Amino acid sequence: GQQVMQIPQYQHVQEGEDFTTYCNSSTTLSNIQWYKQRPGGHPVFLIQLVKSGEVKKQKRLTFQFGEAKKNSSLHITATQTTDVGTYFCAGPGDDKIIFGKGTRLHILP
Amino acid sequence: GAVVSQHPSWVICKSGTSVKIECRSLDFQATTMFWYRQFPKQSLMLMATSNEGSKATYEQGVEKDKFLINHASLTLSTLTVTSAHPEDSSFYICSASRTVSSYNSPLHFGNGTRLTVT
Repeated sequence: GQQVMQIPQYQHVQEGEDFTTYCNSSTTLSNIQWYKQRPGGHPVFLIQLVKSGEVKKQKRLTFQFGEAKKNSSLHITATQTTDVGTYFCAGPGDDKIIFGKGTRLHILP
Repeated sequence: GAVVSQHPSWVICKSGTSVKIECRSLDFQATTMFWYRQFPKQSLMLMATSNEGSKATYEQGVEKDKFLINHASLTLSTLTVTSAHPEDSSFYICSASRTVSSYNSPLHFGNGTRLTVT
């Protein structure tokens, strides 16, 4: 069945360093969504990308959707302690939204 | 923005008892709601899709009689964990979408319910 794969599973970075998480789908996606879940919290919607090759920015966060609409990335510039959490990508399946396993970001002070 | 309220936030129950979790969409009508289960430091595992006015669609491996879902109105879905056992202890989260096409629109999540079965 359709799969959404995400790497890395974990990432430890020094505060101020950059961070990137990658998402790959086994099928072409009509759109891709990104969510953030803080420790102990619930997932919160960050952004949705729809167009091939689309790039969107939210302050220090840059989201990209691949030309083939099968992959996506989230890049955080100069990480801060508030960036701690798990970042999930998600894409539409036949009858549900399929989530990647997430990348857990840990910031070292 | 859209708000989804989930209650209770946490619950401790004894083995063999049943627990009901409520998920409400506060400022929009949700034809479809989703129920997830999440183990510590794990991803979201979709349990079932709750459809207003009809039976829920369960994912493979999820026991329908164990996890009863009722979606009686456009703003309320409930998940009842029946005859709970310690292995049912987990974080349960609901979500809903503003639009009918739930698979292409952002999901709004409830705060989650942490269930501990003793």
